[in-house]
Amino acid sequence: GAGVSQTPSNKVTEKGKYVELRCDPISGHTALYWYRQSLGQGPEFLIYFQGTGAADDSGLPNDRFFAVRPEGSVSTLKIQRTERGDSAVYLCASSSGVVQDTQYFGPGTRLTVL
Amino acid sequence: DAKTTQPPSMDCAEGRAANLPCNHSTISGNEYVYWYRQIHSQGPQYIIHGLKNNETNEMASLIITEDRKSSTLILPHATLRDTAVYYCIPSFGNEKLTFGTGTRLTIIP
Repeated sequence: GAGVSQTPSNKVTEKGKYVELRCDPISGHTALYWYRQSLGQGPEFLIYFQGTGAADDSGLPNDRFFAVRPEGSVSTLKIQRTERGDSAVYLCASSSGVVQDTQYFGPGTRLTVL
Repeated sequence: DAKTTQPPSMDCAEGRAANLPCNHSTISGNEYVYWYRQIHSQGPQYIIHGLKNNETNEMASLIITEDRKSSTLILPHATLRDTAVYYCIPSFGNEKLTFGTGTRLTIIP
């Protein structure tokens, strides 16, 4: 079946602009995760949804970052007033939500803030 | 979160077994050891996980020491497609993953 998909694959924006990144999880997966990966580093956790609600948003760096999952499927990560330091690959993962289940990652969205 | 220590890089000849070590001396009693890998420009990919016993699947084997303070991922017959960054991650499951810097494994033809 289809894996996790993310759109767009690449996004170039200017400092101060607003961006939205979309994640389509594997069908039926109740858990959805967002991570951010800077060059040369491992992925860093941002936020975790169980269904429609954010179960853990401790990784969001500041209030410019916000994520939603209104129907418990597709999720959108929103970044306001982008800064050059926001440039990174944003990864989405989903899992069935049961204990021990593995996370399946999408290919990521490469965000470049000029 | 339990801290992990992995060598930053390793080389392995194609066709040989690749043995990737990980120290996780502060792992909690109920935390599993997960291994993921990330091939260049792709999202991380799950490989295997275990709690106490050694595990094997179609991709790899996982050896966990009796005191659970370290583990070794074994790729039995490495191919060029196994070149990637490998991450060892203690986790209770169904929660965020805390990635370190991993081991960059290069398979040499």
